[in-house]
Amino acid sequence: DVVLTQSPLSLPVTPGQPASISCRSSQSLIASDGNTYLFWFQQRPGQSPRRLIYTISNRDSGVPDRFSGSGSGTAFTLQISRVEAEDVGVYYCMQHTHWPHTFGQGTKLEIK
Amino acid sequence: EVQLVESGGGLVQPGGSLRLSCAASGFTFQTYWMNWVRQPPGKGLEWVANISPDQIEGRSVDSVKGRFAISRDNAKNLLYLQMNNLRAEDTAVYYCLAWGHVTYWGRGTLVTVSS
Repeated sequence: DVVLTQSPLSLPVTPGQPASISCRSSQSLIASDGNTYLFWFQQRPGQSPRRLIYTISNRDSGVPDRFSGSGSGTAFTLQISRVEAEDVGVYYCMQHTHWPHTFGQGTKLEIK
Repeated sequence: EVQLVESGGGLVQPGGSLRLSCAASGFTFQTYWMNWVRQPPGKGLEWVANISPDQIEGRSVDSVKGRFAISRDNAKNLLYLQMNNLRAEDTAVYYCLAWGHVTYWGRGTLVTVSS
């Protein structure tokens, strides 16, 4: 199975400051069709997850533009340009290039 | 309004069975890959199984293979997960997830496997 390793696992951030989460894959996520099926999810406390980013860098509808994704191959990053209080929660990267689809361990973002 | 509503969770003894259902509305269910994702209490997310829109393809992770079966009824907009021979490590909130250009999640149903 593809292992996704996130860092850091805990991320205390002052409001208004940037934040960055790394996701590294145990193997390339480039699919045979040339796409890279790497996604980012947010799970706020007590809520279901929601997708923020698809195929590395595309924001889902309604996602604020302070969220951005980047990377290629086996190394990916989720960046928040200016953290707000509503961003508290756990962030997961996920791949579905390979079966089984797998998630990273999660990064808990908290406000300082 | 899009809704995915899971049901069928509860407390079951090890070795027992449960059938989860997910009722979908507000989107074209029959065009989406449907999935079950679970989350043990206080832990991360795990993909459990998925099924293609036409029901031809269905896959599950090794940890549940031979015990869980995913199915769907496109006429009724329903997704199912039949879970047999349940183990303590299957204890989790089970989410129904519609996967496409947009994604939709249910609120989840808690399955507790304990004697």
